[in-house]
Formats: sequence, C-alpha cells, structure tokens
Amino acid sequence: QKEVEQNSGPLSVPEGAIASLNCTYSDRGSQSFFWYRQYSGKSPELIMFIYSNGDKEDGRFTAQLNKASQYVSLLIRDSQPSDSATYLCAVNDGTASKLTFGTGTRLQVTL
Amino acid sequence: GAVVSQHPSWVICKSGTSVKIECRSLDFQATTMFWYRQFPKQSLMLMATSNEGSKATYEQGVEKDKFLINHASLTLSTLTVTSAHPEDSSFYICSAIASGLASTDTQYFGPGTRLTVL
Repeated sequence: QKEVEQNSGPLSVPEGAIASLNCTYSDRGSQSFFWYRQYSGKSPELIMFIYSNGDKEDGRFTAQLNKASQYVSLLIRDSQPSDSATYLCAVNDGTASKLTFGTGTRLQVTL
Repeated sequence: GAVVSQHPSWVICKSGTSVKIECRSLDFQATTMFWYRQFPKQSLMLMATSNEGSKATYEQGVEKDKFLINHASLTLSTLTVTSAHPEDSSFYICSAIASGLASTDTQYFGPGTRLTVL
C-alpha cells in the first residue's frame, strides 16, 4: 500500500523564521510531488509541484526532492502569520493521476 | 487560471433525502475530475475518479449506488449523495486536472461543499 508520511505537528516557528516541512513516501516509482496548503474549513490550495531531484523555488517557497531517499520537503522563508495552516504533501505514481495524500503538518507562525 | 467551483458551498438536509453537488472547471477543460471527502482533523479521502463520458471509478469501500457521479461534459461533474444519513455529513471536495497546462497531472481543488444531514 502506498503511503505518504508527515509529522502532524504542530510545528511552531516565529515570524520571519524559516519553516521546514518534511514528507516521506513509500512508492519508489512515484513521479510527481505536490505541496498543498489548507486553511481550517477550506479546501486545499496548490503551492507548488516538483518532478526532478533537487530544489525548486517559487517566491518564499522552496520544494526539495530526493528520490533516492524518498523524501520531499517544503521550506517557507520569512514565515508570516498568514502561513499558519495545514500543509499537505501529495504524491502521484504517474499511472492514473491519482494523488496519495499525507495527513498534513499543521504550521503555526507566532508573532 | 485553473479555477474550479463547487455548488452549493454548504447544504443541510433531512435524513433520507438526496443531495446533488456540482463541480465545474471555469477556465479550462477537465477530462478527469476527482471527488474527495474530509472528516474533521483528517486528511482527504479519495472517493472516486470521474472521467468525461465514461463511468466513474470508485475507491475500495465507497458505495457506487450511494454516491452517484456523472461527468457529462468537459467542465462539469456532479456527485449525488442518495438517501443521505447523518454519517454522510462531511466536507466534500472536488478537484480537476487541467488538460493542456504545463503540469498535466496537477489537481486543482474546488472550494468544497459542507454537507450536514439531520
């Protein structure tokens, strides 16, 4: 069974700090990786996706992928209180476009 | 771009009635849509994959006769919860894959529909 693991948190970081969110996956054949942000009571919002090993940057967000270690992470620089949300890691094995979601990490950015 | 809408955003119904939820891709065509449900403090659970012009593919444990899915066009999929009961109360979210965009397997989510069955 394909699994995606995330620490449920809460992860608490002070405003302006770097938040580091981690995710591991079990299916070595996974092809694409996604980070979604979900505010309480709302639906997930795509932050970014990554396909290749290495780093991918988009504004304050950087996704990092290491397929050998089956590990994907999301860094949020200059964290803001508005970043406080649950961050979902999702993995696609490339065959049916279905995503396997982790349970999410709750991030709290404190003033 | 890649905006997905859902209607209604919330609904309250009596036990035994049926409820239809619409999912629309507003600025793109979606050959594939997905339906999820989410209980409080839990992650998303995929219910079914909806492909335009064909029958939906349901995940194990999801009753296809209870959760009717129709994907009649490239921009509309509907989920009907038949004979709803209080245990069906949940947050129902659809997503769509935007054909033709750079990332061909990125799912964009609708805002969700909160169903409460009394």
